[in-house]
Amino acid sequence: DQQVKQNSPSLSVQEGRISILNCDYTNSMFDYFLWYKKYPAEGPTFLISISSIKDKNEDGRFTVFLNKSAKHLSLHIVPSQPGDSAVYFCAATDSGSGGSNYKLTFGKGTLLTVNP
Amino acid sequence: GAVVSQHPSWVICKSGTSVKIECRSLDFQATTMFWYRQFPKQSLMLMATSNEGSKATYEQGVEKDKFLINHASLTLSTLTVTSAHPEDSSFYICSAGDNNSPLHFGNGTRLTVT
Repeated sequence: DQQVKQNSPSLSVQEGRISILNCDYTNSMFDYFLWYKKYPAEGPTFLISISSIKDKNEDGRFTVFLNKSAKHLSLHIVPSQPGDSAVYFCAATDSGSGGSNYKLTFGKGTLLTVNP
Repeated sequence: GAVVSQHPSWVICKSGTSVKIECRSLDFQATTMFWYRQFPKQSLMLMATSNEGSKATYEQGVEKDKFLINHASLTLSTLTVTSAHPEDSSFYICSAGDNNSPLHFGNGTRLTVT
């Protein structure tokens, strides 16, 4: 049972445009969400997170939106750059605290390709 | 920032042998580390939670006698794949945190069992 779903395996965007990566979850106990970026043969790198008490969190070109009623979150990257090309994983946890010692449930990832 | 180092980055072994993978937190102490496995085009699946000084907690379906985890110090956890078989071939990744930031991941270990 996939508790975190990323239904788009890939996304292709033109440089300078907006990239929107989507993620849905089924476990209503999840209250902290993270996005990770991963290059081939490397471990995931943390990008941005959001707690369930918020509906938006912004960090530079990256913004994450959370819609709790729909159990949906999205990552917006604007403007997109070729260096953003990577696999993006959505992850969730039910720790509540947002501290580091929690277990993450990951989606399958979305391969983003930003074309020059 | 916090760095997690994983070694080796890749390993090829023969069926029936054992392989040890190390995960180190380089500039912080990690009482808890996590071991994940990723199959091609799949998500990272949590295998077990490694607790310093105590037994690891395994996720459902993960054989603890096959995947031995040792967390003997606050900066080192090891995963040993015992009697490896071709179906154990996968990408293994560890993660750790310092309570002040989200989890940091190692660069992973590509295991190929022939």
